[in-house]
Amino acid sequence: AQSVSQHNHHVILSEAASLELGCNYSYGGTVNLFWYVQYPGQHLQLLLKYFSGDPLVKGIKGFEAEFIKSKFSFNLRKPSVQWSDTAEYFCAVYNTDKLIFGTGTRLQVFP
Amino acid sequence: NAGVTQTPKFRILKIGQSMTLQCTQDMNHNYMYWYRQDPGMGLKLIYYSVGAGITDKGEVPNGYNVSRSTTEDFPLRLELAAPSQTSVYFCASSYSIGVRTEAFFGQGTRLTVV
Repeated sequence: AQSVSQHNHHVILSEAASLELGCNYSYGGTVNLFWYVQYPGQHLQLLLKYFSGDPLVKGIKGFEAEFIKSKFSFNLRKPSVQWSDTAEYFCAVYNTDKLIFGTGTRLQVFP
Repeated sequence: NAGVTQTPKFRILKIGQSMTLQCTQDMNHNYMYWYRQDPGMGLKLIYYSVGAGITDKGEVPNGYNVSRSTTEDFPLRLELAAPSQTSVYFCASSYSIGVRTEAFFGQGTRLTVV
């Protein structure tokens, strides 16, 4: 069965620090990949998505992710985080009608 | 455009009671999903549907039932509530992946079973 792993469970950063959150998936076929963000008390919102083409994907709020097929990875990055980026981040893989999520990474950004 | 609407937002149930969580979408999406979210566990897929009249089990279907009689509605039924079903439940919808779109989520239902 396909699965998604997020190894960073809780990340604490100061404002202006760089961010990289890891995401690995287990499925070897064609996959579609997503990063969602959940701000405190809110529902999930899409940050970015990858379907095909350029493996470097840019999303909203300065986030980007790189799809590396050989490593089954889709890591999320941001060069300089802000306090408002405090949230939980979820990686997800879409294949054969199912959208499967990782366990999430809680990001706290301190001023 | 309302998107995905879930009701109720909050509910407290006693052990053994039953209830239905409602989910409606107005985007004419053919795919719909139910997830539960528990701290540190991410979102787990309970059931999903690829169209009216078609449903299938996800990762954690035990204790739940669904139906999909219309494109718009995808209710989730808990027949005999148990404390292990205390969670936040999210409904989502999307077009099929062939049209390259993401899933849209409802605001969630926070359920407590006591």
